[in-house]
Amino acid sequence: SQQGEEDPQALSIQEGENATMNCSYKTSINNLQWYRQNSGRGLVHLILIRSNEREKHSGRLRVTLDTSKKSSSLLITASRAADTASYFCAEGPNQGGKLIFGQGTELSVKP
Amino acid sequence: DTGVSQDPRHKITKRGQNVTFRCDPISEHNRLYWYRQTLGQGPEFLTYFQNEAQLEKSRLLSDRFSAERPKGSFSTLEIQRTEQGDSAMYLCASSLASQSVNEQFFGPGTRLTVL
Repeated sequence: SQQGEEDPQALSIQEGENATMNCSYKTSINNLQWYRQNSGRGLVHLILIRSNEREKHSGRLRVTLDTSKKSSSLLITASRAADTASYFCAEGPNQGGKLIFGQGTELSVKP
Repeated sequence: DTGVSQDPRHKITKRGQNVTFRCDPISEHNRLYWYRQTLGQGPEFLTYFQNEAQLEKSRLLSDRFSAERPKGSFSTLEIQRTEQGDSAMYLCASSLASQSVNEQFFGPGTRLTVL
């Protein structure tokens, strides 16, 4: 499988706490993206980080990228119950535009 | 609603039957992608089109699978002689290739159950 790995597979926290999810990927990337998937809804794009960037912020989201270790992390600060979802990292698009998704982290935020 | 739409949302079929799914991308998007997602896994790429041309197919796309995008707008994905292993969520996404970011917008998916 080309899919990368995400860690942890499942994470349960209390509202207000921070959540950190890690992703390891396999290919040489131009971009890495993070998506969220709620139960019953499609994938929603959260943030893209390019291979020449090390850190990027968007609202309560912070993404880091370490190309030497082929890893990325997503930090959600001050979590809310509405953040409960599955989070996926995706390599790409490189050539051709396809995305290679990780296996995802299932986040549960308890009120 | 100007997002990506997919039809049907759910499909239950018997093993051996043929099924066809439709995807309508965001109207100005020239790229269209199909992915398959099984329970507890991330989506896996199947194929993608730029306008009418099918530019890449995954090895996951066996001979029983065929996808078309005849007029460069909507796309269909057909699975012939379905097998229980085909049970999955089939996701469609679209993007505008000229954008530097090339963000893919996903539809809600078609959930296929093969009995």
